[in-house]
Amino acid sequence: GQNIDQPTEMTATEGAIVQINCTYQTSGFNGLFWYQQHAGEAPTFLSYNVLDGLEEKGRFSSFLSRSKGYSYLLLKELQMKDSASYLCAVRQIKAAGNKLTFGGGTRVLVKP
Amino acid sequence: DGGITQSPKYLFRKEGQNVTLSCEQNLNHDAMYWYRQDPGQGLRLIYYSQIVNDFQKGDIAEGYSVSREKKESFPLTVTSAQKNPTAFYLCASSMNSVIPYNEQFFGPGTRLTVL
Repeated sequence: GQNIDQPTEMTATEGAIVQINCTYQTSGFNGLFWYQQHAGEAPTFLSYNVLDGLEEKGRFSSFLSRSKGYSYLLLKELQMKDSASYLCAVRQIKAAGNKLTFGGGTRVLVKP
Repeated sequence: DGGITQSPKYLFRKEGQNVTLSCEQNLNHDAMYWYRQDPGQGLRLIYYSQIVNDFQKGDIAEGYSVSREKKESFPLTVTSAQKNPTAFYLCASSMNSVIPYNEQFFGPGTRLTVL
């Protein structure tokens, strides 16, 4: 099976930086996804990592270390609209149907 | 506009009744998925389908059923056998599963409340 852990909640100030960690245990790792989900809405894709290292997309960056089973999502220059839940999801090699296993999500609250 | 639609957005049913949630996509995606999300929780996979006329159970299939008669449509039936059906239901789709980088696109969700 798989085990994916994320902190439940984080609070940060507008303009600051927040780092959301995700640790996973899985056999046959084949990629890690980060999604953003505003309350009551559909998750939207943020980033994908399959090789070690940092992927940067504007204010958002995602890092992966496969040997440590660890990823983080870095949100810079926080804005109020970044208040949302952030979901980490892992795919396994030869996962039938491109299945993803999701962590419980981290709720980020941005304060003025 | 291409996308995934789910209807209705809110659904109320009495205990013991079956209810069917609609999911339609015009992205020409082969694979489709149903997830359940409970308050403050992540997504749990109910059923998925890689191709028309084929589907597999996910992690929490008990009390649910699906069909995939058309590529565009993947309806989910919540049966009376599902012991705790009140939840937020999300449908998703993705391109052919053999492609490594293959994000899932989500519909807006249906919030089901069983009274």
